[in-house]
Amino acid sequence: QKEVEQDPGPLSVPEGAIVSLNCTYSNSAFQYFMWYRQYSRKGPELLMYTYSSGNKEDGRFTAQVDKSSKYISLFIRDSQPSDSATYLCAMSPSGREKLTFGTGTRLTIIP
Amino acid sequence: DAGITQSPRHKVTETGTPVTLRCHQTENHRYMYWYRQDPGHGLRLIHYSYGVKDTDKGEVSDGYSVSRSKTEDFLLTLESATSSQTSVYFCAIRVTANTEAFFGQGTRLTVV
Repeated sequence: QKEVEQDPGPLSVPEGAIVSLNCTYSNSAFQYFMWYRQYSRKGPELLMYTYSSGNKEDGRFTAQVDKSSKYISLFIRDSQPSDSATYLCAMSPSGREKLTFGTGTRLTIIP
Repeated sequence: DAGITQSPRHKVTETGTPVTLRCHQTENHRYMYWYRQDPGHGLRLIHYSYGVKDTDKGEVSDGYSVSRSKTEDFLLTLESATSSQTSVYFCAIRVTANTEAFFGQGTRLTVV
């Protein structure tokens, strides 16, 4: 079993819908949580970065962390065709530990 | 791109040949990483570095070596390329051990 599980999709939703992307994890030591967006043939770019539990909002994006359930989510409001990409979750414990990534969810927003 | 340049961007090489990929950063950050990305596996860590001449293995390090003789450059070498090493390779940096990672644009390597 992988340390981080992410539904690969693909996920297709109409423009303007609310999108929910999720990851589960098994390592209770994870404290730092990130969401990356990756367009085709590009490098991942950071969307959200959170520490420990709670919510963080940035424009149309909201990241949630529930450490008790070992579950993180990314919500996209008023989704746009430009949001079509692969979304990767990543997490790490504190200190010098490496990041562990989910396999990514491919999202398509239909105009 | 957080001042990260990967070279080459694309490469086709033959099985058994050595290949070196370069990652160059302009910000002098300590922490640098090499990942490979494959369908169904996501990003997997090959090697990482916490400073000049301070490197360690990741989860898929077999067949790869790295060197970091200068803060700004992190080299990944495939000693004898195999078809299983066909992949997209990404370099990443972190400002500190606990901050987010920033990625380069990737190198698409094909081993024939």
